Amino acid sequence: DIQMTQSPSSLSASVGDRVTITCQASQDITNCLNWYQQKPGKAPKLLIYDASNLETGVPSRFSGSGSGTDFTFTISSLQPEDIATYYCQQYDNLPFTFGPGTKVDIK
Amino acid sequence: EVQLLESGGSLVQPGGSLRLSCAASGFTFASYAMSWVRQTPGKGLEWVSTLSGSGGSTYYADSVRGRFTVSRDNSKNTLYLQMSSLRGEDTAVYYCTKNSRYGSSSPFNYWGQGTLVTVSS
Repeated sequence: DIQMTQSPSSLSASVGDRVTITCQASQDITNCLNWYQQKPGKAPKLLIYDASNLETGVPSRFSGSGSGTDFTFTISSLQPEDIATYYCQQYDNLPFTFGPGTKVDIK
Repeated sequence: EVQLLESGGSLVQPGGSLRLSCAASGFTFASYAMSWVRQTPGKGLEWVSTLSGSGGSTYYADSVRGRFTVSRDNSKNTLYLQMSSLRGEDTAVYYCTKNSRYGSSSPFNYWGQGTLVTVSS
């Protein structure tokens, strides 16, 4: 199975800050990497697919980059409504696997 | 508007069975693969199973293979997950998800609200 790691596991930042989360796959997954946002008590929501493509309707302050084994998710200017846990997920190989999540809150 | 509405979650004893349903609307159901993903506080998000749009191809996590069966009724726009020989570690919120493409290897672009399955005596 492909193992997905994320760092940090949690972070606190101020409104307007640039926030960066990294995700690493245990083997090459090309660009088969998605990012999801999960707010408390809600289902996950797809934000970024294929490593760098913004899902329709998602604000442009969210972005993703990377390929192979190393990926980055960025919020260019943190907003109060971005408080959530963010997960990366690979779909290059079965079983599809998720990272452990990064919890983002406001400082 | 895409909507996925799960039902069927409940408290069940170890070794018991349960069937989850997911009623889909707002898209051409048969044109997309569908999946189940579960979430536990301890293990986070775990992919469970994916079914192709036609229903002809099924994929399972090792942890559920042989115990869970995924199926769909494209005439009713409904996805199912038949769970048997349930164990405590199957306790989780189960999400029905729509894959973004017909193929099973694709992002989960819509999620239901989830249904809680608790396995306990």
